[in-house]
Amino acid sequence: DAKTTQPTSMDCAEGRAANLPCNHSTISGNEYVYWYRQIHSQGPQYIIHGLKNNETNEMASLIITEDRKSSTLILPHATLRDTAVYYCIVNSGSGYALNFGKGTSLLVTP
Amino acid sequence: DGGITQSPKYLFRKEGQNVTLSCEQNLNHDAMYWYRQDPGQGLRLIYYSQIVNDFQKGDIAEGYSVSREKKESFPLTVTSAQKNPTAFYLCASTPVASGKGEQYFGPGTRLTVT
Repeated sequence: DAKTTQPTSMDCAEGRAANLPCNHSTISGNEYVYWYRQIHSQGPQYIIHGLKNNETNEMASLIITEDRKSSTLILPHATLRDTAVYYCIVNSGSGYALNFGKGTSLLVTP
Repeated sequence: DGGITQSPKYLFRKEGQNVTLSCEQNLNHDAMYWYRQDPGQGLRLIYYSQIVNDFQKGDIAEGYSVSREKKESFPLTVTSAQKNPTAFYLCASTPVASGKGEQYFGPGTRLTVT
């Protein structure tokens, strides 16, 4: 699986958009970009994934650059409950174990 | 409710004892996984299974064993050979046939060995 690089930590004010970047310059053509988050002492939660096109669901939006070497997870209106560690993972899909790095620790402040 | 259950939430054992962590899913998922997480670290893969009666070692399988006799169950045994067993253990599953690849995680078991 391709390696990903994320900032160690970020802050965001409540109500503002949180934009979490991820670099994956060695991604190959059949690999997806997945985002998960982990709230303290809980199991990780799937957020969103994409291959080439931008994606949006009820939790977040995923913007993937045209060359697919980087992506941004956007939480449009961050709340205090969005404080968590966010993991960007590149993986070729079903049945393959995910390679979790250290992720980005997002702190949403009042 | 469909989901993944892990029990117990907290587990305490003495050094030298084997301990088995439970993971059950009623999502009809094909693949199941065990991860370990240490404080301030990401998740590391211990074992995974894509089909009943078959499993593969992950990055840190030494000192652990698993079985997959039923589709819905994937228990993990932490043996006395595991040098640093105290950690947060997470089980996950995924519907291989869906093609989506997203994993569903259980709530985790926090194991403390003294």
